[in-house]
Amino acid sequence: DAKTTQPPSMDCAEGRAANLPCNHSTISGNEYVYWYRQIHSQGPQYIIHGLKNNETNEMASLIITEDRKSSTLILPHATLRDTAVYYCIVITSGGSNYKLTFGKGTLLTVNP
Amino acid sequence: EAQVTQNPRYLITVTGKKLTVTCSQNMNHEYMSWYRQDPGLGLRQIYYSMNVEVTDKGDVPEGYKVSRKEKRNFPLILESPSPNQTSLYFCASSFKHLSNQPQHFGDGTRLSIL
Repeated sequence: DAKTTQPPSMDCAEGRAANLPCNHSTISGNEYVYWYRQIHSQGPQYIIHGLKNNETNEMASLIITEDRKSSTLILPHATLRDTAVYYCIVITSGGSNYKLTFGKGTLLTVNP
Repeated sequence: EAQVTQNPRYLITVTGKKLTVTCSQNMNHEYMSWYRQDPGLGLRQIYYSMNVEVTDKGDVPEGYKVSRKEKRNFPLILESPSPNQTSLYFCASSFKHLSNQPQHFGDGTRLSIL
C-alpha cells in the first residue's frame, strides 16, 4: 500500500471549515483513499473514501487531485466534537485481505 | 442501530488465565477482523475472517486464537495471556473483504494483563 504523509497537528475555529491535507505521491491507480478518525482511544470511525472522483457524504467531503497524489478532507463546519486524530490511508484493491494500517495521523483541535 | 459490539470494554486479569473478548456485528457483514493498538506502533492486525469458518492470520497472531462459527460473531481468545498482550483491542467488520468497502469498528476493549 502507498504511504501517506499528513501534518502532525492542525487547529480550526469552531464553525469554520477544517481542511486536512494528505500526500500519497506513490499511490497506484487501483488504490482507494480512505479517511478515518479516532477520538481519544475510542474505536476508529470511518469518514469517507474515494478512488478518483471527489466524494461527499453527511460528514465530510473528499477532494482528490487529478494526479491522485494528494487529497484533502473537508469538514465544512467544524464543531468541538470533531477534535480527534484523523488518519488518511490508501488501500489496494484486490487480494484476499485488506488490513488498515494507520500512521500517526493529524491531530485536529477545534477551538471555541 | 448498525454497530459492532465488543465485550468486555475493560478487563484487568492475571498471566495465564484464559480469556475471551467477544465481537458481534448486526450488519450481516462477511469480513471481520481484530486489531490491537499500542502507543508508537499504531494499529496492527491480529486475525481476520472473510466468512463463516474462514479465518487467517494477520501481522501479529502469536498468542491469540479466533473462531467464526456464525456470521455475526468473531471472538478473540487468549489461551494463556501474558503482559505483552496488554493493549487496546478493536474488532472491525465490512460487508465484503474488498478495498471499496469501509471497515466499521467497535468501541474497543482495553486489556491489562498483570
